[in-house]
Amino acid sequence: NAGVTQTPKFRVLKTGQSMTLLCAQDMNHEYMYWYRQDPGMGLRLIHYSVGEGTTAKGEVPDGYNVSRLKKQNFLLGLESAAPSQTSVYFCASSLDSRNQPQHFGDGTRLSIL
Amino acid sequence: AQKVTQAQTEISVVEKEDVTLDCVYETRDTTYYLFWYKQPPSGELVFLIRRNSFDEQNEISGRYSWNFQKSTSSFNFTITASQVVDSAVYFCALSGAMDTGRRALTFGSGTRLQVQP
Repeated sequence: NAGVTQTPKFRVLKTGQSMTLLCAQDMNHEYMYWYRQDPGMGLRLIHYSVGEGTTAKGEVPDGYNVSRLKKQNFLLGLESAAPSQTSVYFCASSLDSRNQPQHFGDGTRLSIL
Repeated sequence: AQKVTQAQTEISVVEKEDVTLDCVYETRDTTYYLFWYKQPPSGELVFLIRRNSFDEQNEISGRYSWNFQKSTSSFNFTITASQVVDSAVYFCALSGAMDTGRRALTFGSGTRLQVQP
């Protein structure tokens, strides 16, 4: 009964370093999303995918890249981390229609020094 | 563009009080969906309810109830007889059915509810 799993849960990076956040879902969902949560701002959409092999930009895509090579995985990459990317990152997935509820992972807390 | 406003940044109540969390939304879609999520101190996001724009019936689930009014573009959430375990940040969110297939959620900024014993 895993649902949506995010790894890692915590990470500290130095400015300029790169890293990849992994999101895996076992519900056979078509849609997957990456959000970031900053204090007082709710969650904002970074990138999303409507199916394997497809990705698209959300509201705040700058500085991030994503890939969806397999249906169950959605990777979020930071090529050159900046302090402004310090945030809590949430991955979510949902079925492809009827606006089914999005299922969220537990989040990744990322600090950029 | 879509927008969700949760004007109450933080609410503090004493246990057993009733509390209402306000949510006002803006959308050009005629078909849309509204959601409430709970984020307890542990940090995960827990789905509470989904409501589509054609269903204005109020809903009750135990101590939780939701009041959807299209005329005022509001989707308010009431907790009756609040408990300490209700302490969390609550997010209202909106998804437009015509949103080019994204199905992504537009979130409000959240309301932090503190229930004092």
